[in-house]
Amino acid sequence: NAGVTQTPKFQVLKTGQSMTLQCAQDMNHNSMYWYRQDPGMGLRLIYYSASEGTTDKGEVPNGYNVSRLNKREFSLRLESAAPSQTSVYFCASSDYSVVGETQYFGPGTRLLVL
Amino acid sequence: DQQVKQNSPSLSVQEGRISILNCDYTNSMFDYFLWYKKYPAEGPTFLISISSIKDKNEDGRFTVFLNKSAKHLSLHIVPSQPGDSAVYFCAAPIDTGGFKTIFGAGTRLFVKA
Repeated sequence: NAGVTQTPKFQVLKTGQSMTLQCAQDMNHNSMYWYRQDPGMGLRLIYYSASEGTTDKGEVPNGYNVSRLNKREFSLRLESAAPSQTSVYFCASSDYSVVGETQYFGPGTRLLVL
Repeated sequence: DQQVKQNSPSLSVQEGRISILNCDYTNSMFDYFLWYKKYPAEGPTFLISISSIKDKNEDGRFTVFLNKSAKHLSLHIVPSQPGDSAVYFCAAPIDTGGFKTIFGAGTRLFVKA
């Protein structure tokens, strides 16, 4: 039982390049999330998927797209990377049967955009 | 507008003493709060939570207190251990579905041996 896995662990991009961050969970959770963590800002929600087949914007969606490929996988795509997207990205999942259900996080992807 | 605020970026405590991490919130509609713990190079992990119908929740060495009138909660760790050294995030679901969670900026706790 691996929980939530993310690939890659670390990536360096040049401005304008594109890339996809992959996330998978093996806990049969309905909901999945993408966050970014920046110094002094905590975790900010980029996009979430309440259930397979649905996606919705979070606090900071601009410059990102997502795909809920199936119940297990939720990818985050940067079409044209910008230095402002340098951050640590966390994927999370949860089974929202009740309010306050905790989220399970992956180990993160550290992205540097030059 | 930060709805969940952790005003202390860091806290240093001696091993065996009490650690108190504070969190303030502005949205009176929040009815559930969670604390997550994060070690370097790892994702956050759930630590403890509290519903707004309670004013205290205890789990071993960890206790969370909620003061709704002051819109303030605190996490107490007693006794503190070096392994508790981590970043602690206060968080609150923002909608009834719980899909959007607002996180505070985090407090880095150092427990000195």
